[in-house]
Amino acid sequence: QQQVKQSPQSLIVQKGGISIINCAYENTAFDYFPWYQQFPGKGPALLIAIRPDVSEKKEGRFTISFNKSAKQFSLHIMDSQPGDSATYFCAASRSNDYKLSFGAGTTVTVRA
Amino acid sequence: GEEVAQTPKHLVRGEGQKAKLYCAPIKGHSYVFWYQQVLKNEFKFLISFQNENVFDETGMPKERFSAKCLPNSPCSLEIQATKLEDSAVYFCASSQSGGQTGELFFGEGSRLTVL
Repeated sequence: QQQVKQSPQSLIVQKGGISIINCAYENTAFDYFPWYQQFPGKGPALLIAIRPDVSEKKEGRFTISFNKSAKQFSLHIMDSQPGDSATYFCAASRSNDYKLSFGAGTTVTVRA
Repeated sequence: GEEVAQTPKHLVRGEGQKAKLYCAPIKGHSYVFWYQQVLKNEFKFLISFQNENVFDETGMPKERFSAKCLPNSPCSLEIQATKLEDSAVYFCASSQSGGQTGELFFGEGSRLTVL
């Protein structure tokens, strides 16, 4: 049973465009929501993370938006660059359980 | 070390053979996690350790999978009598604080192919 649902499965965006990836969760006990970036042949690396006490967090060109009432969160990649082409995974975990539940991943392709 | 080191990078086994994977966490990190990634898709949690103690093993298929983290040794994940469906990339990750207040650092994975 997948605890975090992620969409779309893949997306293509032009250089300079905005990439948007959405995730939804059911377990209201989740209180930590990280996004991981994975390049082919590599392990995932933490990109940005948010907790439910804030609705938005921005780091450079990457922004997480969080809607607690809807149990949804999203990643926005502004001014997308070819180097951003990767697979992005959203995840969630609970305070007393360090285990991350991952979404199914979104493959982003940025066309030059 | 400064990164999570996993060996081997690739491992091929015939169905029914044993497979053993190793992970050296980042020095000073007390939590180790094992995840299985099938077909480049979602990650399935297997097991976590706090130092040498099992912290959470709810994801482990216990009949054939076992794992250890012993002092002064790399952690290991062992699969007895491999099956075709065990073909996957196995990732190890470590964390200083369990992942809740800090990030998980992942290794590059060990690709297991069962023929």
